[in-house]
Amino acid sequence: TQLLEQSPQFLSIQEGENLTVYCNSSSVFSSLQWYRQEPGEGPVLLVTVVTGGEVKKLKRLTFQFGDARKDSSLHITAAQTGDTGLYLCAGLSSGTYKYIFGTGTRLKVLA
Amino acid sequence: DAGVIQSPRHEVTEMGQEVTLRCKPISGHNSLFWYRQTMMRGLELLIYFNNNVPIDDSGMPEDRFSAKMPNASFSTLKIQPSEPRDSAVYFCASSRSNYGYTFGSGTRLTVV
Repeated sequence: TQLLEQSPQFLSIQEGENLTVYCNSSSVFSSLQWYRQEPGEGPVLLVTVVTGGEVKKLKRLTFQFGDARKDSSLHITAAQTGDTGLYLCAGLSSGTYKYIFGTGTRLKVLA
Repeated sequence: DAGVIQSPRHEVTEMGQEVTLRCKPISGHNSLFWYRQTMMRGLELLIYFNNNVPIDDSGMPEDRFSAKMPNASFSTLKIQPSEPRDSAVYFCASSRSNYGYTFGSGTRLTVV
């Protein structure tokens, strides 16, 4: 069974601070996605990375796919209260059709 | 585009009753997924349809759960009979050939 472990599980920080959350697996993925989920809503896709070592930026969010395509990180610069939510990574293995979701990191940004 | 539409948003039912959750995927999306989310187990894939055909139902917990997709614009997930341990948020998601999933807002099910 493929597992995607995310760390930390919970994170509470002050507005303006930087943070990094991680998504790790022993499996190789052909692509990896990051989602953000707000209370009472479904997850919303933020980014898809497909190439080992790939870095993508979305305003203050920086996503990196590991060289071996087994792990990924999400870095947020100068966090804002609007970044509060559950961050989920999801990996797709070659030859399969379904993304496996990680355990999630619950982020709270305090004003 | 209205996105993926799920109904109802909330459902409270008594143990033993039948529950039907509904989903309207995004027009043009050929894949549809039903997920269940709990604090303990996170997001679990229950069943996956491609072009209205069930491809993988290995995540369906037991025979009490069934899902249908009679056409490209509608799917249902039915639990009969419901049990308290079925309490969770159920999400429907659709995609076009795995180019990222669009999730609905979910149905929060409480079985008492």
